[in-house]
Amino acid sequence: EPEVTQTPSHQVTQMGQEVILRCVPISNHLYFYWYRQILGQKVEFLVSFYNNEISEKSEIFDDQFSVERPDGSNFTLKIRSTKLEDSAMYFCASSDPGREGTDTQYFGPGTRLTVL
Amino acid sequence: GESVGLHLPTLSVQEGDNSIINCAYSNSASDYFIWYKQESGKGPQFIIDIRSNMDKRQGQRVTVLLNKTVKHLSLQIAATQPGDSAVYFCAENTGDYKLSFGAGTTVTVRA
Repeated sequence: EPEVTQTPSHQVTQMGQEVILRCVPISNHLYFYWYRQILGQKVEFLVSFYNNEISEKSEIFDDQFSVERPDGSNFTLKIRSTKLEDSAMYFCASSDPGREGTDTQYFGPGTRLTVL
Repeated sequence: GESVGLHLPTLSVQEGDNSIINCAYSNSASDYFIWYKQESGKGPQFIIDIRSNMDKRQGQRVTVLLNKTVKHLSLQIAATQPGDSAVYFCAENTGDYKLSFGAGTTVTVRA
């Protein structure tokens, strides 16, 4: 069964450093998303991406964040200058509402980001 | 405030019994709802969904009920098994391709 994959599974970085989190969405899906989950809290929407541009973003997704689809398979989230409060699980998701007729988003296993 | 929330943060259930997990939402414009299961260290896993033009939808051992009058959503798990132990989230969508998640209910299955 197709699934969303993410790398790395765990990223440790120093405050102020740049990190890039990588995702491979389900093949042929057209919508891509990033969410984050701070330990013990609910999953929060960051950004959605369609047709090579951002569709919607939350107030969390400030100028320190960016997303990119550098090729036909990868979808990345970059944090330019990490802060301690960026420590969280980051989940990538993808969907294909046109094909499935629903907005079902399928999630990857997540990348745990730890900012020291 | 939160648009989506759950009534109880934890639920302990005897193996073999039925489980009911509740969720309240406040955005009357939401037209699509999903239940996700999240096991420790993993991403949310799709369980079942329902559109606002439906009241009930059944899957394998799971049933989702939607009461739009009181903005209430529930997930029923029949014959709960140890593998059902996880955190369960309801999520809503207002048609703009972003999901709003509730706080989650931790289900623990007792042997």
